[in-house]
Amino acid sequence: GIQVEQSPPDLILQEGANSTLRCNFSDSVNNLQWFHQNPWGQLINLFYIPSGTKQNGRLSATTVATERYSLLYISSSQTTDSGVYFCAVRGYGGSQGNLIFGKGTKLSVKP
Amino acid sequence: ETGVTQTPRHLVMGMTNKKSLKCEQHLGHNAMYWYKQSAKKPLELMFVYNFKEQTENNSVPSRFSPECPNSSHLFLHLHTLQPEDSALYLCASSQDWASGIRNEQFFGPGTRLTVL
Repeated sequence: GIQVEQSPPDLILQEGANSTLRCNFSDSVNNLQWFHQNPWGQLINLFYIPSGTKQNGRLSATTVATERYSLLYISSSQTTDSGVYFCAVRGYGGSQGNLIFGKGTKLSVKP
Repeated sequence: ETGVTQTPRHLVMGMTNKKSLKCEQHLGHNAMYWYKQSAKKPLELMFVYNFKEQTENNSVPSRFSPECPNSSHLFLHLHTLQPEDSALYLCASSQDWASGIRNEQFFGPGTRLTVL
């Protein structure tokens, strides 16, 4: 099955700093989602981005499907950005609708 | 209520108890999912229902029994659980499970389960 690798596994930032999170995947995908899991466990949808670039406020994401990676950019980070960021992908064929999750990047933003 | 809701949010049970987790989605979706998230592990897909029919069972032990009476509701019935089943159980929904159709998944807040 598809392998999803996220980097870095842990990231500590000072408030106001910018960061880039990376997601590599091993095969072609027709769905890619970025999630933020807050300290209470809720998974919040950030982007649905199987290809291209999207922006939402201080966050933006780019997926280069042909090169099998996606990047999540966080600018001017705030303490509320802390939590775990997951990338999840779905491939073609096989178990059609199943998302495969990476292990996540744990982000800590210090005041 | 909007989005995906789950009850209860926290549950503590003994190994001989029987309990149920409930998930409800208010998005008009047709596919619903149960995931398990244990400490230090990636999310694990447990079950998938598409148009009320179970399409996936990822080798989940029989002490977990799902039920999907309609496209808006999903239950996970628990009995004779083990301490290692303690985890965060997340429910999700999407428009359709089928490949080729926009299938963005939306998650509920989860039920944090502790088995004593």
